[in-house]
Amino acid sequence: GQQLNQSPQSMFIQEGEDVSMNCTSSSIFNTWLWYKQDPGEGPVLLIALYKAGELTSNGRLTAQFGITRKDSFLNISASIPSDVGIYFCAGQRQAGTALIFGKGTTLSVSS
Amino acid sequence: ETGVTQTPRHLVMGMTNKKSLKCEQHLGHNAMYWYKQSAKKPLELMFVYNFKEQTENNSVPSRFSPECPNSSHLFLHLHTLQPEDSALYLCASRPFSGGAGEQYFGPGTRLTVT
Repeated sequence: GQQLNQSPQSMFIQEGEDVSMNCTSSSIFNTWLWYKQDPGEGPVLLIALYKAGELTSNGRLTAQFGITRKDSFLNISASIPSDVGIYFCAGQRQAGTALIFGKGTTLSVSS
Repeated sequence: ETGVTQTPRHLVMGMTNKKSLKCEQHLGHNAMYWYKQSAKKPLELMFVYNFKEQTENNSVPSRFSPECPNSSHLFLHLHTLQPEDSALYLCASRPFSGGAGEQYFGPGTRLTVT
């Protein structure tokens, strides 16, 4: 079935560094979502994107809906230890269809 | 804070046992979902309920049996499971299934089948 390619698979960074991750698809999506999952917890919605080219921020997090509608990016600025976790992208091709998830990017931050 | 709760948080069961997972959402949503999360794999959609009616069964084995008595509660009944069914089972909700995007997840039940 449809899959999203999320990269990188994992990242090891120093506190204070900026982080970038992305998700790509062979199909066009109408919605892109970014979630974060802490160990032992469920995914928490960070940012939702609904228009091509849209750039949305949530604190130190910024996500963009790619112009081709086949990709999305998440940036985290000035990382802190509590940013540690797994970040998932999810896409929806059209309203009413199922969300398709990436495999996640595991972020580790050393202080 | 999550508006979606799941119990139990951890469950260990033998292959011959019968158990149930419970999900409750306090968000006033009408669509509820069960997902399976295994290591190194994307979330796998299992079931979708919209206004208490099952609208999607993603080829899930019959040893998993969902129940949705009302829009706020969702159960997953388990019987004669296999060790490969060990995973994190996540419940999610959305205002209604026909719309766009955002789903809100519960904390999950970590299931171990021995």
